[in-house]
Amino acid sequence: DAGVIQSPRHEVTEMGQEVTLRCKPISGHDYLFWYRQTMMRGLELLIYFNNNVPIDDSGMPEDRFSAKMPNASFSTLKIQPSEPRDSAVYFCASSLVWDANRFFGPGTRLTVL
Amino acid sequence: KNEVEQSPQNLTAQEGEFITINCSYSVGISALHWLQQHPGGGIVSLFMLSSGKKKHGRLIATINIQEKHSSLHITASHPRDSAVYICAVRFGGGADGLTFGKGTHLIIQP
Repeated sequence: DAGVIQSPRHEVTEMGQEVTLRCKPISGHDYLFWYRQTMMRGLELLIYFNNNVPIDDSGMPEDRFSAKMPNASFSTLKIQPSEPRDSAVYFCASSLVWDANRFFGPGTRLTVL
Repeated sequence: KNEVEQSPQNLTAQEGEFITINCSYSVGISALHWLQQHPGGGIVSLFMLSSGKKKHGRLIATINIQEKHSSLHITASHPRDSAVYICAVRFGGGADGLTFGKGTHLIIQP
């Protein structure tokens, strides 16, 4: 398996634009997690899905953020409109079951100017 | 408040030294993860444990549930071990995801 795949790897956009980050989890993994990493706050969970259903989105910072998982092999994290404070590295991870090792994607480095 | 504290924040050591990184948490947990983040940014899951000790190569992770403390040890450290090591816990009693420590930035000098 290729591991967790994220795209794009780097994204530079201007304030106010819509940003869509994409993730393909490892096949067969039932859990998918979106994390954000900043220098100030470290790694934070944004939202996670179990069998494509959002379970906990309490980490989503505000209504500008939304996440979907239309099928078992694809998830998106959307920011609309983007703001400079959204600049961070966004990681997607998946795991086979809840209490199992989490496999991280390479991350998307987002810069909002 | 559910908190995760790591120490030290930064650690520089010489090649071959025995390394210990500590993680303490505030309330009971159901699982604890140790992650390694490489200088290029990639994150690798090293261990997941809920009791006792696990070993993989030169890495050893221990957890003491009563003391709410875990340690990650590296034996015969090597410059390629230079990375940020992150402790993450799942607090018991809820459907929460992981709560992360701020990480320990380790540099092993040749």
